[in-house]
Amino acid sequence: DQQVKQNSPSLSVQEGRISILNCDYTNSMFDYFLWYKKYPAEGPTFLISISSIKDKNEDGRFTVFLNKSAKHLSLHIVPSQPGDSAVYFCAASARYGGSQGNLIFGKGTKLSVKP
Amino acid sequence: DGGITQSPKYLFRKEGQNVTLSCEQNLNHDAMYWYRQDPGQGLRLIYYSQIVNDFQKGDIAEGYSVSREKKESFPLTVTSAQKNPTAFYLCASRVGTVQNIQYFGAGTRLSVL
Repeated sequence: DQQVKQNSPSLSVQEGRISILNCDYTNSMFDYFLWYKKYPAEGPTFLISISSIKDKNEDGRFTVFLNKSAKHLSLHIVPSQPGDSAVYFCAASARYGGSQGNLIFGKGTKLSVKP
Repeated sequence: DGGITQSPKYLFRKEGQNVTLSCEQNLNHDAMYWYRQDPGQGLRLIYYSQIVNDFQKGDIAEGYSVSREKKESFPLTVTSAQKNPTAFYLCASRVGTVQNIQYFGAGTRLSVL
C-alpha cells in the first residue's frame, strides 16, 4: 500500500505560469518531506524540504506547502521555465520512528513546461 | 569535488551471472542506500547501511547482496537469483538524521543480454 502518492503522472504548463505539483501521504508519523527533481538517465537532485513544524518553505522560485491535517503537500514553481521540465518526486520520512528515517518515495510527476 | 560516483553507467548481465555495481562517496556520510527505479515507478529501497560493517534489507532485497567494509564504499551485487534485474539503479548517501536529505549518484542502467 502506497504511503506516498502523487496522483498526477504528468502536468503540462506554459512558460512563465505557475506549476503546482501535489503529493499526499497516509502515515501520520512522517515528519520530514522532500522534493527531488530528476532528468532522464540521471540521479535525482534534491530541490527543497520541509519539516512538519512548518507549513511553508521557500527557496527562490520553489515553495513547498504542507497541510498536516489533510496529509498533503504541494510544490509551487513560479515562474515555470522550460528547464524545469523533469520528473518530480515527493518523499517523506519519519525521522524518529522505527524506520530509521528512510525515505518513502512517490511515483513521480512528469512536468513539461512549454515555451 | 565532493559527491557520489556510480560505475559503470551501463552494464549488461548474462543469464546466470552475478554483476556488481560500484558506489563510492567522498562526502564523509555515514548512511548509504541502494534504490531501484523501474519505468513509471518511484524509487524502491533495496538495501541500506547506517554505518560501516552493518547493513539492512530494504523493501526489495531478494536477489541482491551488499557489503560495507569502508565508509566510502557500498557495492551492490545483483545475483542470478534476481530474475528481473533490468532497471535503473541509484545509490545515495545521507548527510544526517535531523536534516534527512539523501544525495544521489548518477545511476547505473542494468540490462539483461
